[in-house]
Amino acid sequence: AQKITQTQPGMFVQEKEAVTLDCTYDTSDPSYGLFWYKQPSSGEMIFLIYQGSYDQQNATEGRYSLNFQKARKSANLVISASQLGDSAMYFCAMRGRQAGTALIFGKGTTLSVSS
Amino acid sequence: DTGVSQNPRHKITKRGQNVTFRCDPISEHNRLYWYRQTLGQGPEFLTYFQNEAQLEKSRLLSDRFSAERPKGSFSTLEIQRTEQGDSAMYLCASSPGSDSYEQYFGPGTRLTVT
Repeated sequence: AQKITQTQPGMFVQEKEAVTLDCTYDTSDPSYGLFWYKQPSSGEMIFLIYQGSYDQQNATEGRYSLNFQKARKSANLVISASQLGDSAMYFCAMRGRQAGTALIFGKGTTLSVSS
Repeated sequence: DTGVSQNPRHKITKRGQNVTFRCDPISEHNRLYWYRQTLGQGPEFLTYFQNEAQLEKSRLLSDRFSAERPKGSFSTLEIQRTEQGDSAMYLCASSPGSDSYEQYFGPGTRLTVT
């Protein structure tokens, strides 16, 4: 069975600092995708970044990068230069088998950015 | 705005009543998903449509839950004989064809069963 584990219930960081949100996963699928979503207090899930299991390089999207360590089954999200607007819940998720199947989410990490 | 829309945004109902939620996906997205999210948890998969065909259903989807996507466009999720445990945020997401991996989520419908 596929599983996502996020062990940090809450993280606190000051503006302009970098922060790493941890995510480990478990799957027996040889091919899978890893995702990070942001959920502000408004409730909508916002896609941030994607990493395919066969991608050779770590994914980056602006201030977001994914530190993918396949052997350790970890997919940590790194946010550089935190902003107040980054305060939200962050979810790691994975999808296995073929495109179109459900996303399996972790329990999330609450990030609080202070000035 | 051409994103995923959901109605209503909030629903308060009494235990035992039936409720129906609607999701309008991004146009031309042929894949549509329903998830449920309770407080302090990540979303949990309920069901998945490809066009009008319901291809996957989670064990979470009890007999009281039914979902439809009759013309392969909008979808409805009905909960019959609601229970307090059904109180949650119900999220809808859509994605385009098989080459895409990203799911685009709507704002959700928050259900409170009293």
